Amino acid sequence: TQLLEQSPQFLSIQEGENLTVYCNSSSVFSSLQWYRQEPGEGPVLLVTVVTGGEVKKLKRLTFQFGDARKDSSLHITAAQPGDTGLYLCAGAKFTKAAGNKLTFGGGTRVLVKP
Amino acid sequence: NAGVTQTPKFRVLKTGQSMTLLCAQDMNHEYMYWYRQDPGMGLRLIHYSVGEGTTAKGEVPDGYNVSRLKKQNFLLGLESAAPSQTSVYFCASRIRQTQYEQYFGPGTRLTVT
Repeated sequence: TQLLEQSPQFLSIQEGENLTVYCNSSSVFSSLQWYRQEPGEGPVLLVTVVTGGEVKKLKRLTFQFGDARKDSSLHITAAQPGDTGLYLCAGAKFTKAAGNKLTFGGGTRVLVKP
Repeated sequence: NAGVTQTPKFRVLKTGQSMTLLCAQDMNHEYMYWYRQDPGMGLRLIHYSVGEGTTAKGEVPDGYNVSRLKKQNFLLGLESAAPSQTSVYFCASRIRQTQYEQYFGPGTRLTVT
């Protein structure tokens, strides 16, 4: 059982449509990160949210951290083919020994068709 | 500035063979990590290091060993490969304890037959 559950696992939409990806957990995190991964490459950080209820915008992408810091969502407005990729959420928990350790969700594969 | 590099990019091993994956970073980061990525399971932490000469176990350490003899390098070893270790392996690094972002390498695709 994964600590962070992402839904849906796969999303196929037409260019111009909106989409939302969810990341849920029963655990509280000190921060939550969203990464995007292209085929054959490593994940690249999109955003970090730290405060409960925080909303961050990155062009057409809107990220929200739940009030209780247990869940997050990623909303893409007017999706474009360039948004195609694997989206990963990762929750950070602080430990004295290791600093902020990340736990990743299973990922949501997004396909935006022209 | 190459960031995080990994060698090799691809490898096929037979069951029982051994190999070492090399991760190098040129950003002077203290923290380094090894993850494996399997379909639908995101990235799972194998081992990590908080500084030169230190290593620690992550979520799925069995069957792997690591070493961090130099700050810029983090090696992941498989002593006796098993088909269950077929995966894509990613190395990541981070500058310091309070810094959130991890920088990832391009990955190594390993197949064990």
